[in-house]
Amino acid sequence: DIQMTQSPSSLSASVGDRVTITCRASQSISYYLNWYQQIPGKAPELLIYAASNLQSGVPSRFSGSGSGTDFTLTISNLQPEDFATYYCQQNYVIPLKFGGGTTVENK
Amino acid sequence: QVQLQESGPGLVKPSGILSLTCAVSGGSISTSDWWSWVRQPPGKGLEWIGEIYHSGSTDYNPSLNSRVTMSVDRSKNQFSLRLNSVTAADTAVYYCARGGRGELHGFDYWGQGTLVTVSS
Repeated sequence: DIQMTQSPSSLSASVGDRVTITCRASQSISYYLNWYQQIPGKAPELLIYAASNLQSGVPSRFSGSGSGTDFTLTISNLQPEDFATYYCQQNYVIPLKFGGGTTVENK
Repeated sequence: QVQLQESGPGLVKPSGILSLTCAVSGGSISTSDWWSWVRQPPGKGLEWIGEIYHSGSTDYNPSLNSRVTMSVDRSKNQFSLRLNSVTAADTAVYYCARGGRGELHGFDYWGQGTLVTVSS
């Protein structure tokens, strides 16, 4: 199985900050990496697909980069509605796997 | 706009069978897409359970492989999950989603999720 390691597991930030979350795959997954946001009590929502493509309707302050084994999700100018948990996910090989999640908390 | 809706019992007895259905609306299940189940134990992360294609082809998470069966009903535009021999560890919110292996769009549509509790 491919392991997906996210870091940090949590972080504290303020509105207006730039936030960076990293995701590392235990082997190359090309660009088959997606990012999701989950607000407590809600289903996850797709933010970024294929490593760097912004899902329709998602604000442009979200961006993704990387390929192979190392990926990054960046939130520029953090907004109040961005305090949530973020997951990376590979859909390159079976079993599909999510990272452990990164919770962005209000400092 | 594709919409997904999970349905099924919210309480299952230990050693029993968990059975859920995902109804797809706003689009056909018979597109070139995989359809997946994902679960989330209370307070924990996301776990992919498996995927099914409209042809009936399936892939399952090896961690659950022997207990999982997925099926599709194209006439009703829905797909289903069956998990045997459940224990308390199977208590989770179960989501259905559009997407699967090799699909560049990721899991782009999700159901709202349904909580299934395994308890006597």
